[in-house]
Amino acid sequence: EAQVTQNPRYLITVTGKKLTVTCSQNMNHEYMSWYRQDPGLGLRQIYYSMNVEVTDKGDVPEGYKVSRKEKRNFPLILESPSPNQTSLYFCASSSQRRGGEQYFGPGTRLTVT
Amino acid sequence: SQQGEEDPQALSIQEGENATMNCSYKTSINNLQWYRQNSGRGLVHLILIRSNEREKHSGRLRVTLDTSKKSSSLLITASRAADTASYFCATDARTGNQFYFGTGTSLTVIP
Repeated sequence: EAQVTQNPRYLITVTGKKLTVTCSQNMNHEYMSWYRQDPGLGLRQIYYSMNVEVTDKGDVPEGYKVSRKEKRNFPLILESPSPNQTSLYFCASSSQRRGGEQYFGPGTRLTVT
Repeated sequence: SQQGEEDPQALSIQEGENATMNCSYKTSINNLQWYRQNSGRGLVHLILIRSNEREKHSGRLRVTLDTSKKSSSLLITASRAADTASYFCATDARTGNQFYFGTGTSLTVIP
């Protein structure tokens, strides 16, 4: 089954404790992206990747890191999480580098206390 | 921010009625897409319209695009309770590879 998976689905952590949210897709997509969703603000793009070893900043990259060492995986790293990073995070992938239909993961709800 | 905006923010209709939601965006685009999100879940792609298209249909969905006004509308005909969800428009700018989502319209269809 074609899908985007994210782990963990729920995470409660404390300020400053490094964490990684994994994202994996099995569709051989080149384009992958991370979004955060906050009430009243819709989805905002954090980082995206056009292909292996190619990543770029989205609208709200501060406080986040990503890597793309393999085509299928695109982890999101929070080196020192802060309470304002409490949010619902989505990973997505697309077969097209620009403007294609995106397939979304189920989301990761992160709470930073 | 180059985010789009949906209007209205919330819409409540009776089953069988039509639902119309609008999206406005700020920059020149390649494509505009509409997505649906059931509460707290991942988004699902509904339809894509290219910048050189004016109207597109898919089942009970009708999308229009007016690039001169930088706006789009999504019409859901003969709505069903199962259409209850949030709907988002998304654009990719003509320059760059970023995606921009709107703030969403929350649709409630009352059985």
